[in-house]
Amino acid sequence: DGGITQSPKYLFRKEGQNVTLSCEQNLNHDAMYWYRQDPGQGLRLIYYSQIVNDFQKGDIAEGYSVSREKKESFPLTVTSAQKNPTAFYLCASSARGAYEQYFGPGTRLTVT
Amino acid sequence: SQQGEEDPQALSIQEGENATMNCSYKTSINNLQWYRQNSGRGLVHLILIRSNEREKHSGRLRVTLDTSKKSSSLLITASRAADTASYFCATDPDRGSTLGRLYFGRGTQLTVWP
Repeated sequence: DGGITQSPKYLFRKEGQNVTLSCEQNLNHDAMYWYRQDPGQGLRLIYYSQIVNDFQKGDIAEGYSVSREKKESFPLTVTSAQKNPTAFYLCASSARGAYEQYFGPGTRLTVT
Repeated sequence: SQQGEEDPQALSIQEGENATMNCSYKTSINNLQWYRQNSGRGLVHLILIRSNEREKHSGRLRVTLDTSKKSSSLLITASRAADTASYFCATDPDRGSTLGRLYFGRGTQLTVWP
């Protein structure tokens, strides 16, 4: 059963704490992406990775960090430096030579 | 910004009617894609149209692309209540490589009433 999994679906944290969101794919895709979605907004790119051990900043990378140690995994850490972390976070992947992206179900993060 | 911008922001129709959503963008593109998002879920890829194509069909979906006007439209024919969702256009800028980023618009919220 191929696809992208994100866990957990809902995550609650206190302000000042770092939190790591999981993203795993078994599609054998080379590229992976992290997006943030706020109510009434489109998707904004946080980070993306085209190959293992390499990643690039997107439009809103400040306060976030990622790693890509394995092809199937691309975890996102929301640090305490992120001013407004409450949002819906979406992970996606795409295959080499293909343009369309496949999305996970998302993680809704609430920081109070 | 290179983002696509959808119009209208919200659309409400009856079952059986057609729904048309538009997308405008600013830079030259390699392709343009449409995605659907049900409330609280991830996005699902619907259709991709390349810059050298003018129209594409997939089931009840019809997409057009006018590169001279930098615009695209998505038509859903004979809408069903199950089509209720947000629809996003995403542009893939013409940069000569794949595996790059997409630029998403803010989406059109479609509501289809039974």
